[in-house]
Amino acid sequence: GAVVSQHPSRVICKSGTSVKIECRSLDFQATTMFWYRQFPKQSLMLMATSNEGSKATYEQGVEKDKFLINHASLTLSTLTVTSAHPEDSSFYICSAGQTSSGEQFFGPGTRLTVL
Amino acid sequence: AQKVTQAQTEISVVEKEDVTLDCVYETRDTTYYLFWYKQPPSGELVFLIRRNSFDEQNEISGRYSWNFQKSTSSFNFTITASQVVDSAVYFCALSEFGSSNTGKLIFGQGTTLQVKP
Repeated sequence: GAVVSQHPSRVICKSGTSVKIECRSLDFQATTMFWYRQFPKQSLMLMATSNEGSKATYEQGVEKDKFLINHASLTLSTLTVTSAHPEDSSFYICSAGQTSSGEQFFGPGTRLTVL
Repeated sequence: AQKVTQAQTEISVVEKEDVTLDCVYETRDTTYYLFWYKQPPSGELVFLIRRNSFDEQNEISGRYSWNFQKSTSSFNFTITASQVVDSAVYFCALSEFGSSNTGKLIFGQGTTLQVKP
């Protein structure tokens, strides 16, 4: 299957700083990428849908000014957690979708810890 | 609205036992996909299967099998002769392809499977 990478895999930061997470589709072009968040012992919750060259679509309850998403190319989407706080500590997972086939390929995830 | 329910929060079995993980879904669309993913302690999601709404054939892959019943909106997953390495959290998910055609996934709550030696 196709490969999706995420960087960094793990990040620890101080409260108030911003953190950028990259999601790359390595061997295919992804017109759509998705960002999910998973709190400990909980399910994955979709945060936003990112379409190349246009603004992301955020799910209800997700602050777009706090979670900035940029999808500047067909192989890269970034999620920036601005002014991170301890409650933003979570596992963030991206996926790249091929809408024609319905397949989604997941990245390995980024574990964010905000002190 | 679409919804996926995995009523079993945790299941514990002894190695070599068979175990079935339940998944019930809700959707208004006639075209959709159903998925199962495995999430080991490392956190990375492992794709297990994708089934479209028009294909109700059951599927078997090694020790894994899936039973898709549209009449009851269920997509259950069975592991036969379970092994310790099967211990993980398993997620069932639904993807709709309505007018938006986004393919976003709606996940169930997950079932934690513990296989004891």
